[in-house]
This record gives sequence, C-alpha cells and structure tokens, in this order.
Amino acid sequence: DAGITQSPRYKITETGRQVTLMCHQTWSHSYMFWYRQDLGHGLRLIYYSAAADITDKGEVPDGYVVSRSKTENFPLTLESATRSQTSVYFCASSSGGVYTFGSGTRLTVV
Amino acid sequence: KNEVEQSPQNLTAQEGEFITINCSYSVGISALHWLQQHPGGGIVSLFMLSSGKKKHGRLIATINIQEKHSSLHITASHPRDSAVYICAVSLGNSGYELNFGKGTSLLVTP
Repeated sequence: DAGITQSPRYKITETGRQVTLMCHQTWSHSYMFWYRQDLGHGLRLIYYSAAADITDKGEVPDGYVVSRSKTENFPLTLESATRSQTSVYFCASSSGGVYTFGSGTRLTVV
Repeated sequence: KNEVEQSPQNLTAQEGEFITINCSYSVGISALHWLQQHPGGGIVSLFMLSSGKKKHGRLIATINIQEKHSSLHITASHPRDSAVYICAVSLGNSGYELNFGKGTSLLVTP
C-alpha cells in the first residue's frame, strides 16, 4: 500500500544501546521529518530532510543521527539510548505543505 | 517561534452535540493544519487551510488570518470522534516549519 511505513511499531532497548527506527515512503515526497511526542510537550521536530543527502537539525536533535541516501528512506538512529529518549516517534513526509504521518514507533529505554 | 495555543485542553461531549475546538497563534503563517490522533494511533491530517473555511463530512475548519485564530467544528458528534485534535501552523512555503499546539483531548460519550 502507498503511504509511510514506520518500523518497528514497538521497541524496548537498554540504556547505552544503539537503535535505529526506520521510515519508508512510497511517494517521492522531497521533505521528510522525524518528530517525538511526549506528554506536556506535544510534537517536537528532531531532524528533517529536504531531499536525498540533505538533512538538518530541528528543535531537539541531541543524541540522534539521521541519513537519507535514498528519497524514500529516512532512518533515525539513537547512537547511545538514554531513558530521556523514551517517547513515541513519528515520521512524516510533506508535499505542497500537506503532511502525511506514519503510525509511530513507541520506544522504551530501560 | 510561533506560539500555538489550543483550547480547551480537554473536552467531554454527549453524542450528537456540536463541538468547537479553538486554536490561536502569535505570528503570521502560510498555513494552518488540523490533525487527528486516536488513542494509541497514528496522526491523520484533517485540514490544511490558509484562509476561509473548509468542510469534510461533519468536520468544518475556519481560519481568521487577521485575528490569528482558527476553529475546528464537529457537527452531530459521535463516539468515534473521540481523539486528540492537534493544531499546527507552518511558516514557510516548504511546510517544514511546523509548530504544534499541545492538542485537545475530546471524549464523546454515547
């Protein structure tokens, strides 16, 4: 099906481990984004990408790394997970200012 | 940064009631978005608007650019409308500068 696919849906990892969240879109939207959603903060931008090989920091980028070697994929890596990174992560793409969101990944760092 | 305020924070209504959720923002925008998030679910874009009014089924969104205010109305509310409704504003033509409100949690009881 067309759309944005995030994987995994749920992940539990230990403090200090590296973990990668995957995001794949079936369109060719130029813009892709990673957000985290936390109670009391709403959605906050971690990183975004305007095109393949072009990425930039958002509001809360510390502790995260992204890459975009292909237009359709935008993985988010937590290099050394911390408990403060326990959150729900949403990937999104945008075309013409209209956003489409993935189903989210619920990450728990223990 | 554009401050986005939503009201009310929480709302309980009986099935069939007319519902209004409000959103105000602090600076000029290129577009305003209304998003819906069901419990434990993903985020769905309901409307993107830059002026006037849009309608989709029982949902109506309006925006007053001069007053920096938007409303989301739900007519003949139904329990399946229970969700968090999120207002977000975009500043640039690319749409990547989305600032989100903290959401309005709506519960519609039978």
